Amino acid sequence: EVQLVESGGGLVQPGGSLRLSCAASGFTFSTSWLNWVRQAPGKGLEWVANIKPDGSDEYYVDSVRGRFTISRDNAKNSLYLQMNSLRAEDTAVYYCARGDRWSFSYWGQGTLVTVS
Amino acid sequence: QSALTQPASVSGSPGQSITISCTGTSSDVGGYNYVSWYQQHPRKAPKLIIYEVSDRPSGISNRFSGSKSGNTASLTISGLQAEDEADYYCCSYTSSISWVFGGGTKLTVL
Repeated sequence: EVQLVESGGGLVQPGGSLRLSCAASGFTFSTSWLNWVRQAPGKGLEWVANIKPDGSDEYYVDSVRGRFTISRDNAKNSLYLQMNSLRAEDTAVYYCARGDRWSFSYWGQGTLVTVS
Repeated sequence: QSALTQPASVSGSPGQSITISCTGTSSDVGGYNYVSWYQQHPRKAPKLIIYEVSDRPSGISNRFSGSKSGNTASLTISGLQAEDEADYYCCSYTSSISWVFGGGTKLTVL
């Protein structure tokens, strides 16, 4: 069974930093694209970033480029999102999602980040 | 990258069919057959129901179907059931090597 479990969310002041983690199991982590997708309270979904299976390339939505860094540790089956210079508009539930067949095939339960 | 355009809400009675549209541009929906659809129940994570415009993942009911014409993709749900009441989001790959979602559509089963 595929499982994605996010952690690391919480309350942070504007300008602060936070590191999210996503622990994966039930699939071949090292050959999978991985993504972060967020959802502001009461709002829609927004793709944030993704990373190649070998970690050699990363892609970001314009609004976070230069502030957020996605990374992975294939030995630990873990995905990370380092978030710096946080803003109020970054407040959201952050989901990690497995990329598969040009879609997001599995999602974690999400972790809430509040910037206030 | 602007969000794809979806109707804010749709409704239908049990047993009926409904269609949700998702309009983008030639740089996203119209340019790639990489449109996917997600169902999200309140306080739950999204769930993939359609990928690559019209394919269904294993375990997804054949009451859900997808299509695309030009810059507009569509999700049709036939034989509406109470459990289908949820938010639905479309998503497309874009020419900017990124992904863009629609604003979401709230489906109400009357």
